[in-house]
Amino acid sequence: DQQVKQNSPSLSVQEGRISILNCDYTNSMFDYFLWYKKYPAEGPTFLISISSIKDKNEDGRFTVFLNKSAKHLSLHIVPSQPGDSAVYFCAASVAGTSYGKLTFGQGTILTVHP
Amino acid sequence: NAGVMQNPRHLVRRRGQEARLRCSPMKGHSHVYWYRQLPEEGLKFMVYLQKENIIDESGMPKERFSAEFPKEGPSILRIQQVVRGDSAAYFCASSPPLLTIHTEAFFGQGTRLTVV
Repeated sequence: DQQVKQNSPSLSVQEGRISILNCDYTNSMFDYFLWYKKYPAEGPTFLISISSIKDKNEDGRFTVFLNKSAKHLSLHIVPSQPGDSAVYFCAASVAGTSYGKLTFGQGTILTVHP
Repeated sequence: NAGVMQNPRHLVRRRGQEARLRCSPMKGHSHVYWYRQLPEEGLKFMVYLQKENIIDESGMPKERFSAEFPKEGPSILRIQQVVRGDSAAYFCASSPPLLTIHTEAFFGQGTRLTVV
């Protein structure tokens, strides 16, 4: 049972345009959501997070939106840069557990073309 | 300020051998998590440990896999009698003793296990 789903395996975007990565979840107990970025042969690197009490969190070029009623979150990258090309993972955690115990989506490969 | 250190980075084992993967958490971190990433999949939680304690092992396979985090030294993920299906990237993450809503776990670079 895949509790966190990233339905787009890949996304291709032109440099300077917006990248929108989507994530859906099924477990209503999830209350903290994160996006990680991963380059080949490296570990995931934390990018941005959002608590379930918020619907938006912004950090520079990165904004995460949370729609609890739809159990959907998205990551917006504006403007996209070639260095943003990587695999992006959506992750979630459950209230009452450690925030280090995460349920990950399958990942979306983002390619930003110059 | 060294990050989460995992070694070895690459490990090749023949079927039936044992694999030992090591993880040294970031300085000041006493919580360790192990994840496994199979090809073309996301990371899957395996086990959560604190010093000398296994807190949550709900993601660990029932047989051949074990983990420890001794009082001194790194955390060890041990896989006995490896099979081809164990080939994967194994990631370790660590976090400080008290997690707040603004704290996230930091990941190491992973150990790529290949069973031949």
